[in-house]
Amino acid sequence: AQSVTQLDSQVPVFEEAPVELRCNYSSSVSVYLFWYVQYPNQGLQLLLKYLSGSTLVKGINGFEAEFNKSQTSFHLRKPSVHISDTAEYFCAVHPGNTPLVFGKGTRLSVIA
Amino acid sequence: GAGVSQTPSNKVTEKGKYVELRCDPISGHTALYWYRQSLGQGPEFLIYFQGTGAADDSGLPNDRFFAVRPEGSVSTLKIQRTERGDSAVYLCASSYLPGLAGVSDTQYFGPGTRLTVL
Repeated sequence: AQSVTQLDSQVPVFEEAPVELRCNYSSSVSVYLFWYVQYPNQGLQLLLKYLSGSTLVKGINGFEAEFNKSQTSFHLRKPSVHISDTAEYFCAVHPGNTPLVFGKGTRLSVIA
Repeated sequence: GAGVSQTPSNKVTEKGKYVELRCDPISGHTALYWYRQSLGQGPEFLIYFQGTGAADDSGLPNDRFFAVRPEGSVSTLKIQRTERGDSAVYLCASSYLPGLAGVSDTQYFGPGTRLTVL
């Protein structure tokens, strides 16, 4: 069975500092990988996705993620965070013909 | 354009009651998904529709849960004899392409329905 591990449940970071949110997955088949963001009282919004091709994926709001097949990781990064980036971030894996499997989420808190 | 909408946004009910949660997907999207998100957890898959039929209902926790999509658009998630453990946010998502093997299309999520069972 596929699973997703988000290693940090909470990440506090100062405004304009860089951040990395970690995600590891387990799957015996090729997968598609996603990062979603959930702002308070809102639905999930897609940040970026990896389907194939370049392992460095750029998304909205200045976020990017790198797919590392050997380490089964898909860490999310941003070089300089803003207060408005405070939200819950979810990594998800789609192993093809099965549903999306989400991690438990990482709460990013940006401190002024 | 309009996104995925869900009604009601909040539902409070008593243990043992029946509830219906509605999802309006993005127009033209063939696939529709239901997820449940408990406090402090990521969304967990419940059921997936391709058109009018349930292509995968392996995530439904028990037979108290049922979902329909009679005309291939709006879907209703039905929960019978609600229990306190059913309290969660129920999310609906839709995608243009079906979630078939080797294909993955972006799922667009609604804001969710927060269900509280007293």
